[in-house]
Amino acid sequence: DAKTTQPPSMDCAEGRAANLPCNHSTISGNEYVYWYRQIHSQGPQYIIHGLKNNETNEMASLIITEDRKSSTLILPHATLRDTAVYYCTCSGGSNYKLTFGKGTLLTVNP
Amino acid sequence: DVKVTQSSRYLVKRTGEKVFLECVQDMDHENMFWYRQDPGLGLRLIYFSYDVKMKEKGDIPEGYSVSREKKERFSLILESASTNQTSMYLCASRDRGSWTEAFFGQGTRLTVV
Repeated sequence: DAKTTQPPSMDCAEGRAANLPCNHSTISGNEYVYWYRQIHSQGPQYIIHGLKNNETNEMASLIITEDRKSSTLILPHATLRDTAVYYCTCSGGSNYKLTFGKGTLLTVNP
Repeated sequence: DVKVTQSSRYLVKRTGEKVFLECVQDMDHENMFWYRQDPGLGLRLIYFSYDVKMKEKGDIPEGYSVSREKKERFSLILESASTNQTSMYLCASRDRGSWTEAFFGQGTRLTVV
């Protein structure tokens, strides 16, 4: 299973775009990239996932590089409620495991 | 709505006790997971199960065991609780076939005294 690397913390101004990077250089061809977030004292919640194409939903956009070794989660207009720990993980194919690293603490400032 | 329910939100146990943490999901998911979460260490996988009676070790299985006798229920067992097992425990489930998202319970904060 691919190991992921994320910065420990990031800040963003309210109303601006938040761009959260993730490195997954050992990802295998059939593994998806997933993003979750965890707001304090709650269980993590799914945000978005993708295989190789860029994806967008009502919460965020996911940009995956052509070589699939890294990705960026974009929150287009961050709000104070987006303050959370964001986790990037890879899973799929024969890899049933779902492992998380330490994630990125995103703080949205007023 | 998918629901993953953990039996207790808060639990206090004594050192040496046998502790059962229960997790139930209502969406017929094949895969279920147990994690612990500690400050500065992120989410760490303890055990996971990809089918009834099937289990695999995660990254930190020492001191824990699991049981999956029915598809909807996945139990985490601390055979002899120790103070270093004081932590937040999170359960998750996911459908195997479609590689969709995992759903998490609200967590059990276990304190071993």
